[in-house]
Amino acid sequence: GQQVMQIPQYQHVQEGEDFTTYCNSSTTLSNIQWYKQRPGGHPVFLIQLVKSGEVKKQKRLTFQFGEAKKNSSLHITATQTTDVGTYFCADRAGGTSYGKLTFGQGTILTVHP
Amino acid sequence: DVKVTQSSRYLVKRTGEKVFLECVQDMDHENMFWYRQDPGLGLRLIYFSYDVKMKEKGDIPEGYSVSREKKERFSLILESASTNQTSMYLCASSLVHNKPQHFGDGTRLSIL
Repeated sequence: GQQVMQIPQYQHVQEGEDFTTYCNSSTTLSNIQWYKQRPGGHPVFLIQLVKSGEVKKQKRLTFQFGEAKKNSSLHITATQTTDVGTYFCADRAGGTSYGKLTFGQGTILTVHP
Repeated sequence: DVKVTQSSRYLVKRTGEKVFLECVQDMDHENMFWYRQDPGLGLRLIYFSYDVKMKEKGDIPEGYSVSREKKERFSLILESASTNQTSMYLCASSLVHNKPQHFGDGTRLSIL
């Protein structure tokens, strides 16, 4: 079935540094959703990307969908301690799949003050 | 605000027991999902349901079954619990197929 690979698995940064996590697939991704899970919490939806080459921004977060729809990235500018958590990408299958998501393994972000 | 409630935050059961995990959502969502989360593996879909009494297998359904008798409630059943089913279990719901999923707080299940 569909596999979504996410790298890196861990990222440690100093507060103020930038951070990027990448989501890749050998097959075409349908729609990408990004979620954030704070330590001890549950995943919370951040954004959905649908179109090839799409770029969306939320304050310091920039989300991109590759031109070939085989990769996506989340970039955080000038990280803050509130950015700590695990970031997941997920491919939302199309057709009659009822919104089934295939998640990447997640990137655990640690921010040192 | 959407509320997805899982019946237990922590649960300890013994090998061979039949285990029920309950999930309730209060927003009349069509779709409901059960995942398990393990370190380094992300979230893996066990089962999902798109309507009352309707269910579909996810990626790892073996050893599990589900029940959706009412729209707001989706139950995960471990028929005969085994130690390899020790995990964090997350329930989610979505209004329709192209809307975000909303997650419960999770049940950390330990099988001894």
